[in-house]
Amino acid sequence: EAQVTQNPRYLITVTGKKLTVTCSQNMNHEYMSWYRQDPGLGLRQIYYSMNVEVTDKGDVPEGYKVSRKEKRNFPLILESPSPNQTSLYFCASSLYPRDRAISGANVLTFGAGSRLTVL
Amino acid sequence: KNEVEQSPQNLTAQEGEFITINCSYSVGISALHWLQQHPGGGIVSLFMLSSGKKKHGRLIATINIQEKHSSLHITASHPRDSAVYICAADDYGNKLVFGAGTILRVKS
Repeated sequence: EAQVTQNPRYLITVTGKKLTVTCSQNMNHEYMSWYRQDPGLGLRQIYYSMNVEVTDKGDVPEGYKVSRKEKRNFPLILESPSPNQTSLYFCASSLYPRDRAISGANVLTFGAGSRLTVL
Repeated sequence: KNEVEQSPQNLTAQEGEFITINCSYSVGISALHWLQQHPGGGIVSLFMLSSGKKKHGRLIATINIQEKHSSLHITASHPRDSAVYICAADDYGNKLVFGAGTILRVKS
């Protein structure tokens, strides 16, 4: 089954304790992205990756790091979490943007979400 | 910077009603996505549109690229359609720009 898998789904942690949220996709997608979703603010992009070893900042990258060492994996790292990073996080993958146009297919796939609470 | 606005923010309907959710964007794009998020659930992609209209079951999505406007219609609405519906503007570049979402509640 084509899917994006995120772990953990739920996590409560304390300020300053480093954590990693993993994201893995099995669709051979080039493009992967992380979003956070907060009440009243909608989905905001944190980081994205156009391919292996190619990452770039989204709209709200402060306090986060990512890496893309393999095509299928795109972990989100919080080096020193703070309470303002309490949020619902989504990973998504898709074909390379220009290929979305060519394929015309509905190829944007989200993970199930990771609810993070930082105390 | 592209601004994406959705209306209405909240919508309550009776089962069986025809529902329309609107999405407007400020900058020209190449396509628009419609997404669905059930309470406590993940996000599912419903449509990607670059022109005209698409239909899937009771869901219909239309887009007018020149007028920078898209609509999502639900015919014969059902309580299981209750969810947050989100549109996202796509310029086939690096980022999607999301609307704030429309919270739909369908009462039986």
